[in-house]
Amino acid sequence: DQQVKQNSPSLSVQEGRISILNCDYTNSMFDYFLWYKKYPAEGPTFLISISSIKDKNEDGRFTVFLNKSAKHLSLHIVPSQPGDSAVYFCAARATPIAGNKLTFGGGTRVLVKP
Amino acid sequence: EAQVTQNPRYLITVTGKKLTVTCSQNMNHEYMSWYRQDPGLGLRQIYYSMNVEVTDKGDVPEGYKVSRKEKRNFPLILESPSPNQTSLYFCASSLFGLTSGEQFFGPGTRLTVL
Repeated sequence: DQQVKQNSPSLSVQEGRISILNCDYTNSMFDYFLWYKKYPAEGPTFLISISSIKDKNEDGRFTVFLNKSAKHLSLHIVPSQPGDSAVYFCAARATPIAGNKLTFGGGTRVLVKP
Repeated sequence: EAQVTQNPRYLITVTGKKLTVTCSQNMNHEYMSWYRQDPGLGLRQIYYSMNVEVTDKGDVPEGYKVSRKEKRNFPLILESPSPNQTSLYFCASSLFGLTSGEQFFGPGTRLTVL
């Protein structure tokens, strides 16, 4: 059973508009949530994270929102740019006592159209 | 340059022929991990290591071995590869403890087992 789920396998958005990526989780013991971006033939690269005690974290064009009661987080990209076209993975981190493990969602492929 | 390197990047082999994928990091990270990426399943953890001589199983350890004799290296060993181990493999490293748990990923190794 997947503990972290990204229900939208793909998303297409016009350049300049907002991209919203969603992620749901089931385990209340995660202490950090992270978003990774992946281009073809490269490893995932870290984008932004949020602690489980926060509800929002912003870094430039990227904002992550966390709704703990709904066990849901989202990534907003505003404005979307063609270089944002990539696969985005949501990940949740177990506490260090539990091994620092990252559990990933299945990914959402984003296409930003010029 | 801070990085995680993996070799080889591409490998085609046959069932039962032992192989090793190497992973090395130059960031003095305590934590290292191996993941495999399969379509729709995101990245799943195979094995991880919290420090030298300390390794533990992840979610999908069957058919794999690891060792951590030095801090910088964490090779992945397939003693008798099978076609269901055809996948894209990523090595990752991070600091361990009360940080956000951001992991740095290598470029990936695409393995095909015939």
